[in-house]
Amino acid sequence: DTGVSQNPRHKITKRGQNVTFRCDPISEHNRLYWYRQTLGQGPEFLTYFQNEAQLEKSRLLSDRFSAERPKGSFSTLEIQRTEQGDSAMYLCASSYWARGNEKLFFGSGTQLSVL
Amino acid sequence: GQQLNQSPQSMFIQEGEDVSMNCTSSSIFNTWLWYKQEPGEGPVLLIALYKAGELTSNGRLTAQFGITRKDSFLNISASIPSDVGIYFCAGPQGGSEKLVFGKGTKLTVNP
Repeated sequence: DTGVSQNPRHKITKRGQNVTFRCDPISEHNRLYWYRQTLGQGPEFLTYFQNEAQLEKSRLLSDRFSAERPKGSFSTLEIQRTEQGDSAMYLCASSYWARGNEKLFFGSGTQLSVL
Repeated sequence: GQQLNQSPQSMFIQEGEDVSMNCTSSSIFNTWLWYKQEPGEGPVLLIALYKAGELTSNGRLTAQFGITRKDSFLNISASIPSDVGIYFCAGPQGGSEKLVFGKGTKLTVNP
C-alpha cells in the first residue's frame, strides 16, 4: 500500500455545478478524515468517519457538503451547487486510531477551483 | 476553539544554517505533531511527541514537547534546499479526537 490516494488531483468547475471527490485510505486504517485548506492557512477539519460511521461534522460543512464512507473503506465528498468560496485544497487523511496514537496520514489533496 | 500559534510566519535562510520555529497554545495539549507540506502536496508527518519534556529526532530534525504542555519547538540543523516548504504543528483538540493545525511557518532556503 502506497498511502492515502485522492482523485482527482485537480478539478475546475463552474459555479453552481456539483463535484465529487474520492479518497482511498491506507487499507488497515479505521478512521478517515476530510480537511479543507486555503492559501496561507493550515488544514481545517471538516468531518471524520470511524469505519462507516460519520462521527463528527464541522460547522464549516454546510448543507451543500456531504460525505460518505459506505463500506468503511473509500470515502466520497460531494459539494452541491458550488460557490467561488468553495475553491480550496480538499485533503483526506486516515489513521489507525487509538488513544495516544493520533497520527494522521494525508493524501496529496484535490485542488478545487470554482469559476 | 483552540488555536495554535506558529512563529515565525516565514523564514529566509542560507543553506547550512540551523532553523528554529515554535508553536504555542493557550490550552494544554497531550500530543504534538509536526508536519511538512510542499507545494501542491498534502502534509507529511515528520515527528510525533507524546510526553511533556520529550525530545525526539528524525535525521536533522529535532522536536521538543514543552514542559508546560502548551508549546512545542522544531529545529532543523544544517539546512539544505529540499527543506523548503511549510511546517505545521498540530495536536488533538481538547475533548475531541480531531487534529487542529497552526497556520504554518514557511521556510525558504537559499543555496
